[in-house]
Amino acid sequence: RKEVEQDPGPFNVPEGATVAFNCTYSNSASQSFFWYRQDCRKEPKLLMSVYSSGNEDGRFTAQLNRASQYISLLIRDSKLSDSATYLCVVNNLNTDKLIFGTGTRLQVFP
Amino acid sequence: GAVVSQHPSWVICKSGTSVKIECRSLDFQATTMFWYRQFPKQSLMLMATSNEGSKATYEQGVEKDKFLINHASLTLSTLTVTSAHPEDSSFYICSARDHYEQYFGPGTRLTVT
Repeated sequence: RKEVEQDPGPFNVPEGATVAFNCTYSNSASQSFFWYRQDCRKEPKLLMSVYSSGNEDGRFTAQLNRASQYISLLIRDSKLSDSATYLCVVNNLNTDKLIFGTGTRLQVFP
Repeated sequence: GAVVSQHPSWVICKSGTSVKIECRSLDFQATTMFWYRQFPKQSLMLMATSNEGSKATYEQGVEKDKFLINHASLTLSTLTVTSAHPEDSSFYICSARDHYEQYFGPGTRLTVT
């Protein structure tokens, strides 16, 4: 079983739609959680950290459920520029290394 | 935010040759740098962790004699792919960490013919 699992998608949504991605992690020692965005043939870029209390940054909302070991990302009012792959990333407390999911691909169409 | 550069951004080489990739933290000192590899439609896989002035720590399954890592200073780490084969063709991404966050370089696309 992969340490971080995501639905690879693709999610094809129209502009203005709300879309949600989920991610599960298997290692309970995971301490920090992130969503990264990766455009085709580019490096991943930090979108937002995920906190237990949930956090919001503009149209993006991230939630963490430690009991169920899943993380979510909600994107409201999707823009064409949101088209990318969204990577769920966890930091293992024991190894202090980032573990990446395979990513969920989002395609927003006009 | 902090900037990490990689050079070259892409390289094509013949099978059997060696390729060196440089990773630099431009505006901060990085005691720890990471090297990742990403195959198409797959996740980033950590290859090794390098600390300045000491030997790199390789992940299971990564050949240390094939992927030579040198972290000579707080701002420079290099990855040398020795005796490259077509299956080594991939996207290699370095990352550098300061006290707060891990920053990624733009990646190097290696194609071995």
